[in-house]
Amino acid sequence: DTEVTQTPKHLVMGMTNKKSLKCEQHMGHRAMYWYKQKAKKPPELMFVYSYEKLSINESVPSRFSPECPNSSLLNLHLHALQPEDSALYLCASSQDQGIAKNIQYFGAGTRLSVL
Amino acid sequence: AQSVTQLGSHVSVSEGALVLLRCNYSSSVPPYLFWYVQYPNQGLQLLLKYTSAATLVKGINGFEAEFKKSETSFHLTKPSAHMSDAAEYFCAIDTGGFKTIFGAGTRLFVKA
Repeated sequence: DTEVTQTPKHLVMGMTNKKSLKCEQHMGHRAMYWYKQKAKKPPELMFVYSYEKLSINESVPSRFSPECPNSSLLNLHLHALQPEDSALYLCASSQDQGIAKNIQYFGAGTRLSVL
Repeated sequence: AQSVTQLGSHVSVSEGALVLLRCNYSSSVPPYLFWYVQYPNQGLQLLLKYTSAATLVKGINGFEAEFKKSETSFHLTKPSAHMSDAAEYFCAIDTGGFKTIFGAGTRLFVKA
C-alpha cells in the first residue's frame, strides 16, 4: 500500500469558519508533511512532522495549526482563513532514514476555497 | 545553497515525438535529485530518482533521466510521447534534511 489518503477532496469555507484537513498513511512512514500549492506553482512546504513531533514550521501563520495524533495521521486545523489561503493543500509522507528518506509519497490533495 | 532550475515553463510535442524536459541544479555536495509528475487535480507522483548510483536513471512510464555532473544537469526524456503524458513535471533536489526544493515546473502538452 503506497497510498496517502486526504479528506475532504474539496472544501469551501468562510473566513470565520473552523475546519480541519485530514491525512492518513499506512506505509509505516515516520515523516509527514503539509504543503500548499497555488495554481501553476510548485508545492510550498508548510510543516514537517518526524516521529509525531513538529520538526519544521516554515513560518506559517497561526491560523494554520498542524497536529499529528499518531504515526499514521496528520491533521491541519484551519481558523479565520483569508481568501489568499485558497489553494491545493497536499499531504506527503516519507521514511525517516536511509537513502530513500526523502522520497515523498503525496496524497491527491484538498482543494480549499476561502470565501 | 541548493537549487534547481527548469528551463521552459511549457513544452509542446506531437504524439510519438521525443520528450525532453530540462533541469539544471546547483549544489555544493553530491545531490539527490528527483523528477515528479502531477496530473490535473492530483498530487505529485515520483517518476524517478538519482541517488549517486547509476548516472542513467530509469523511471516509470518509459521516462529516464541522465545525471551529468559536468553540466550540472538532470534532464528528463522519453523516446515517444503519449497523450497520457500531458501533465506538470517538477524537478526537485533533496537538501539533506526534510526539505525538498522543487523547480518551478514544466507543463507538457502532447498534440495528436
